Amino acid sequence: QVQLVESGGGVVQPGESLRLSCAASGFAFSDFGVHWLRQSPGKGLEWVAFIRYDGRNKDYADSVKGRFTISRDNSKNTLYLQMNNLKAEDSAVYYCAKEGVPYYSHYHFDDWGQGTLVTVSS
Amino acid sequence: QSALTQPASVSGSPGQSITISCTGTSNDIGNYNLVSWYQQHPGKAPKVMVYEVTRRPSGVSDRFSGSKSGNTASLTISGLQAEDEAVYYCCSYAGSNSHVFGTGTKVTVL
Repeated sequence: QVQLVESGGGVVQPGESLRLSCAASGFAFSDFGVHWLRQSPGKGLEWVAFIRYDGRNKDYADSVKGRFTISRDNSKNTLYLQMNNLKAEDSAVYYCAKEGVPYYSHYHFDDWGQGTLVTVSS
Repeated sequence: QSALTQPASVSGSPGQSITISCTGTSNDIGNYNLVSWYQQHPGKAPKVMVYEVTRRPSGVSDRFSGSKSGNTASLTISGLQAEDEAVYYCCSYAGSNSHVFGTGTKVTVL
């Protein structure tokens, strides 16, 4: 079955960097676009970034544009999120989620991982 | 863009039907048939219940149904069951390769 496992979360100070990973299994990873989303403690969901199945297109929420970079390694079935210049408001559980339809972009978030917690605090 | 507007809470008795509204604008819900609904139990990841306004993923009960009229989408849960108690979020494609979520609705089964 589809499995998405995030890792790399932790506690960092404002201005520092962190790299999240999402290991995928149980489906043809290279055929699906993948998203990062986040949820601040006790708050709602926010879409963060998307990468097309072949990595050629990347999209970002305005709140992270210029600071976060999404990437993928289809040979390792792994998605990444490089987060630089972190701010307190970036504190959240970060989820990876796959697109519902192969080769399509921006339709819906099909399967989700369990999330990894990022805390930005001095 | 601003979050889509949902009621903070909706409740119903077992067996009843409830409807959760999700109000956006002509830039998101009103312009695209790409509205999806997610169920989230405490401490768990969200799970898609409805996508493309009305479509249900395999494995999701047909008690869950979606609709849209103008700038407002709705999720109806019929035959309410105890396990339906959760927070529900709507989401819409918002153009320019972005998405916007709703504020979330806590469903309580009385």
